[in-house]
Amino acid sequence: AQSVTQLGSHVSVSEGALVLLRCNYSSSVPPYLFWYVQYPNQGLQLLLKYTTGATLVKGINGFEAEFKKSETSFHLTKPSAHMSDAAEYFCAVKRETSYDKVIFGPGTSLSVIP
Amino acid sequence: GAVVSQHPSWVICKSGTSVKIECRSLDFQATTMFWYRQFPKQSLMLMATSNEGSKATYEQGVEKDKFLINHASLTLSTLTVTSAHPEDSSFYICSVQTGQGATEAFFGQGTRLTVV
Repeated sequence: AQSVTQLGSHVSVSEGALVLLRCNYSSSVPPYLFWYVQYPNQGLQLLLKYTTGATLVKGINGFEAEFKKSETSFHLTKPSAHMSDAAEYFCAVKRETSYDKVIFGPGTSLSVIP
Repeated sequence: GAVVSQHPSWVICKSGTSVKIECRSLDFQATTMFWYRQFPKQSLMLMATSNEGSKATYEQGVEKDKFLINHASLTLSTLTVTSAHPEDSSFYICSVQTGQGATEAFFGQGTRLTVV
C-alpha cells in the first residue's frame, strides 16, 4: 500500500525567505511523486513531478524538489517566498503503472508574511 | 497537458434531491477518470475510478448506489449524488491521467456541492 505524510499542516514564512515543505512516502514499488498546489475553491495545479532520471526536479514558479530514495522523501523548496505562493500544497504518489490512482498527503497550508 | 472541465462549478440543492456533476476531458480521450472528494481543510480522497464503457471501481467505504458514476464516452464522466444529504456537502474533483505511463494527472476545477 502507498501512503504520503506531510510534516506540518501549516507553515508560515516571511516574504523572501526559504520555503521548505516536507513530504515522506511509503510505497512497495517504485513510485511516481508529485507536488500540487491548490488555491481556495479551485482545482489542483501540478508544480512538479518525479518519475525517473534526475532526482532533483525543477517545477513551475521557482519550486523544486529532490527525490531521496534512502530517506523516502520528496521535499519541496523555493529559495525565496512570494506573497502569491500562499496556498495549500499537496504531495502525492502513484504507482509506476498506467492509470493507477493518485494518493494524496494531508496537505500543508503555506502562509507568507509580508 | 490535458484540459479537464467540470460543470457546474458550484451547486446548491435541497436534501433528498439528486445532483449530477460532469467532468469533461476537452483535448484528450480518457478511458479512465478519477473522482475525488475534498472536505474543508482536508486532503483529496479518492472515491472511485471511472472506466469508459464499464462499471466504475469504488473505494472502500464509498456507497456505489449513492454516488452513481457513468463514463459513457472517452471525454465525459458524470457523478450523480443521489438523495443528497447535508453531509454530502463537499468539493468534488475529477482527474484524468495522460502521458506515456500515465505520469501526468490533470484535475478539473472542482465542483462545490452544498446540500441544504
